[in-house]
Amino acid sequence: EAAVTQSPRNKVAVTGGKVTLSCNQTNNHNNMYWYRQDTGHGLRLIHYSYGAGSTEKGDIPDGYKASRPSQENFSLILELATPSQTSVYFCASGDVGGSQNTLYFGAGTRLSVL
Amino acid sequence: QQQVRQSPQSLTVWEGETAILNCSYENSAFDYFPWYQQFPGEGPALLISILSVSNKKEDGRFTIFFNKREKKLSLHIADSQPGDSATYFCAATGGNTRKLIFGLGTTLQVQP
Repeated sequence: EAAVTQSPRNKVAVTGGKVTLSCNQTNNHNNMYWYRQDTGHGLRLIHYSYGAGSTEKGDIPDGYKASRPSQENFSLILELATPSQTSVYFCASGDVGGSQNTLYFGAGTRLSVL
Repeated sequence: QQQVRQSPQSLTVWEGETAILNCSYENSAFDYFPWYQQFPGEGPALLISILSVSNKKEDGRFTIFFNKREKKLSLHIADSQPGDSATYFCAATGGNTRKLIFGLGTTLQVQP
């Protein structure tokens, strides 16, 4: 079965600090995605990637950077964390488009910025 | 602007009843509509999906009804069980996009 692993599962950061959220997939999917989930806002797309070396802006990219150094790994980087970035972050992999349309999600990272 | 809308925001049914979750969309290019199920503390997982060429898709107790003309679809959960208590997301994609657009979700509570 498809596997997406996120680390850490929980993170407490200070305002202005740098935070890196990591995601690893063993599905050999080309596409990877970072979403944040907040009450009342559902799942909002931050950044995504079509493959190693590529990153694309999603719907709410401000304050976030992404890095895709390999097919398996996709990181989300908060250079200067703010309390408004307190949320639950989900990574997903999948090949949306054509005949492959399933996203496989990780278990999430709960981030608190104090 | 919410491209995929879900209603109700929350729903409570008794065990054995049929739960009906509604979804509508705006973009005529959307042609694939998955429903994801999410339990507390977990990531969403694909439950059932439908292509716009079909008007109905069944998988056990879960059925999607799709109305392309009205840009509406609904998820029916027959014989609801307490274990079905979760948040359900309707999503859509199509055309040239490689993104899934999610609705805000419906939280279902099944009372025993």
